[in-house]
Amino acid sequence: GQNIDQPTEMTATEGAIVQINCTYQTSGFNGLFWYQQHAGEAPTFLSYNVLDGLEEKGRFSSFLSRSKGYSYLLLKELQMKDSASYLCAVRDKDSGAGSYQLTFGKGTKLSVIP
Amino acid sequence: DSGVTQTPKHLITATGQRVTLRCSPRSGDLSVYWYQQSLDQGLQFLIHYYNGEERAKGNILERFSAQQFPDLHSELNLSSLELGDSALYFCASSVDPSGRSLYFGPGTRLLVL
Repeated sequence: GQNIDQPTEMTATEGAIVQINCTYQTSGFNGLFWYQQHAGEAPTFLSYNVLDGLEEKGRFSSFLSRSKGYSYLLLKELQMKDSASYLCAVRDKDSGAGSYQLTFGKGTKLSVIP
Repeated sequence: DSGVTQTPKHLITATGQRVTLRCSPRSGDLSVYWYQQSLDQGLQFLIHYYNGEERAKGNILERFSAQQFPDLHSELNLSSLELGDSALYFCASSVDPSGRSLYFGPGTRLLVL
């Protein structure tokens, strides 16, 4: 099984940088995902890490350390539209049935203020 | 727009009733996943189908069942509804069973009164 922890809420200022941390304990690991979810809407894919290190994609970057069971999502040049929940999700190894399960954390609600 | 469609968008019903939620995956996607999202639990995996076959079950109650049809659309059936079943139900699709790229539908908001 998986246990995923991330802060419940964070507040940051427009134009600033914010780092959202995620720690996980897992019986099997096959990748870590970050999703963005605006209130009442569907989650949308942001990033995927399966090897240690930093993945950069525009204003968003994601880092993974498998040995520490730790990831973070870095958002630069914050905009008001970045106010949303950010979900960390860990993918299991295949259980043998040809299915890889994504287990989601409860999400971090980010509020961007002027 | 992810290309995944779900109907209905909203559903209000009473305890004890049965409802069916429908999902059409993106064109070409063979995998369909169902998730439940409540305020206190976050996104909980319910069940995964690939090309018509059940591949994995998560925290799905016995009162809930699902199937994927030959045209690849899927239905989630919820019966003997309880107040605690009120939640957002998301369907997601991907092209293969790996779930590497999940595309979520807009969700069905279920309210049980």
